[in-house]
Amino acid sequence: KAGVTQTPRYLIKTRGQQVTLSCSPISGHRSVSWYQQTPGQGLQFLFEYFSETQRNKGNFPGRFSGRQFSNSRSEMNVSTLELGDSALYLCASSLALQANYEQYFGPGTRLTVT
Amino acid sequence: AQTVTQSQPEMSVQEAETVTLSCTYDTSESDYYLFWYKQPPSRQMILVIRQEAYKQQNATENRFSVNFQKAAKSFSLKISDSQLGDAAMYFCAYRGTILSNSNSGYALNFGKGTSLLVTP
Repeated sequence: KAGVTQTPRYLIKTRGQQVTLSCSPISGHRSVSWYQQTPGQGLQFLFEYFSETQRNKGNFPGRFSGRQFSNSRSEMNVSTLELGDSALYLCASSLALQANYEQYFGPGTRLTVT
Repeated sequence: AQTVTQSQPEMSVQEAETVTLSCTYDTSESDYYLFWYKQPPSRQMILVIRQEAYKQQNATENRFSVNFQKAAKSFSLKISDSQLGDAAMYFCAYRGTILSNSNSGYALNFGKGTSLLVTP
């Protein structure tokens, strides 16, 4: 089975712009979670989607949003980019929305905001 | 909110030796899952080992084992016969089992990580 894929792998944007990141889960996985990783804050949970619905949300401003499509692929969007949004964005998929299901991570998208 | 603490920012071990990485957590839940993830320079997060809180037996995966002390809320990772390929950032993570608006539900709560250096 193919693993979790994320596109693009690298992205450079300017302050004030918006960006959309994409995540394709492992085939058959229906839950997708997003995490932000920065040197200062570490790994922080953004949100989780299951069956096209956001089921859980971390403590991030409304500039961060996401969605999930019927094929379980997910996108996250960051509007009005700030320098502090520079980070590695990791996507993880799992079979379903249950705590005992393991999360498998993608390679991440490295976002640089200048 | 659940917090995960890794008190060792960096650790070093010689090849073939054993090293233990520490992790403590804080939670009011009785049922939860604990994980150790490895993140090599490629940045791909790889699951190393998991432990269910309701299980008293410590999990083991080949050269990796944990020491789970539920009462002390401690979850350390022992790497035996260390190899050069073990060099990476290691993250301890907690996952609750209650999905509600008052906590992060099934999200993984990560510690800050421990950078493991393996020397020949």
